[in-house]
This record gives sequence, structure tokens and C-alpha cells, in this order.
Amino acid sequence: GESVGLHLPTLSVQEGDNSIINCAYSNSASDYFIWYKQESGKGPQFIIDIRSNMDKRQGQRVTVLLNKTVKHLSLQIAATQPGDSAVYFCAENSGYSTLTFGKGTMLLVSP
Amino acid sequence: GAVVSQHPSRVICKSGTSVKIECRSLDFQATTMFWYRQFPKQSLMLMATSNEGSKATYEQGVEKDKFLINHASLTLSTLTVTSAHPEDSSFYICSARFDRGSYEQYFGPGTRLTVT
Repeated sequence: GESVGLHLPTLSVQEGDNSIINCAYSNSASDYFIWYKQESGKGPQFIIDIRSNMDKRQGQRVTVLLNKTVKHLSLQIAATQPGDSAVYFCAENSGYSTLTFGKGTMLLVSP
Repeated sequence: GAVVSQHPSRVICKSGTSVKIECRSLDFQATTMFWYRQFPKQSLMLMATSNEGSKATYEQGVEKDKFLINHASLTLSTLTVTSAHPEDSSFYICSARFDRGSYEQYFGPGTRLTVT
């Protein structure tokens, strides 16, 4: 299930389940969005990106959905594995080609 | 893929001293480098944007005299935390971009700074 901690929402799933991580963004003028995975003590790792002229993009085991009407972005991970356990951040291009990061969601995958 | 390194990966310094963190793009020339700070269980907060050969642009609330950024070459940017205080303890992450027209940033592995 999903719970909200002091700073970081957490999503707990079983291995093999599909995971959906959500993100609400703030700037309606943002035209580019990225999902990053960050493991403990490491820098963010690119997962998938999407431009605002698209509403869906698929990668290997991952799908990003963009709903511009409600300024919502989601990351779907198919057949979640223990190695997927990490913190996931969405980021939006906030102008001047800088990125603004969302608050992040911790994904915990149980074997 | 593009590789960005940071050095050191961990550093402990005493309050009042200065510490320098290096960010290098190993296999491409970075026109722009970014410095972020991340506190435990929180998101990345952009501190400054640095273009090679020009002064860094600092985000609101970030003291430019305390966090000195130098981007002297297309493959190296440094962040110096001057007169460090315990509240400066954080995870500092750099990223690099090789095309001003691109949004894609490649992130380094981060530097854990602890000020005692």
C-alpha cells in the first residue's frame, strides 16, 4: 500500500506486481519531463522522459503517462523487481533549461 | 552513456574550514554544469547553474560568497563550501549538460559532506 512519511511518500509492493508512482507538477508551461531513480547514497539515474506533445511513452518495463489537463505525471513499472527499490523523482523543465524536481516517492519491493 | 564523476565521494571537515568538491564530465564537453543539494529524505534542490567561462547563476537563497563555483573548463566545475558550518552537511550532486538546446542532464554520484 501507499503511505506518507514525514518527508517521503512510500509505496510498498510485492515482487512481480506492477507499480505506479505518481507526480503532480506545478508549471503548466513545462514542456519536458523526466523520471529519475535514485538509490541510497548515489546520484539520480535517468529512467525515461516525455515531451509535452505526447501523453504516453514506453521503455523497457517502464511507461510514463502525462496528463497535461490536471498536470499529472505517472511512472508505471511492470513486473517490479527487488532491484527496483529506490526513490523515484519526477522532474520538469522549469524554464531556462533547468530542472525542478518533485518530492520523490520511495519504492520498496518485497521478495 | 555520458559519465560524470565527483571527487571526493565523502568528506568530513571541521566547522570554519573550506572544502572543495570537483565535478568532471569524463567523455563529453559540458557547456553547462549544475550543482544541487539534497538533505536526507528530501528532493534535489538546485543551487546554481554554471556555464563554462562565465559566472555562475545562483538560485534564490543560495549565498554566492559561501558556495563558490568555478567552471574553468568544459570538463570541470568545482564547488567550494567556505567557512563550513554543521548545517552545510548535506549530499551535494552535480550534473552536466553538453548542449544548451537540450534539457537532458547527466548526474554525478554525489558527495557526502559532513561538517563537525
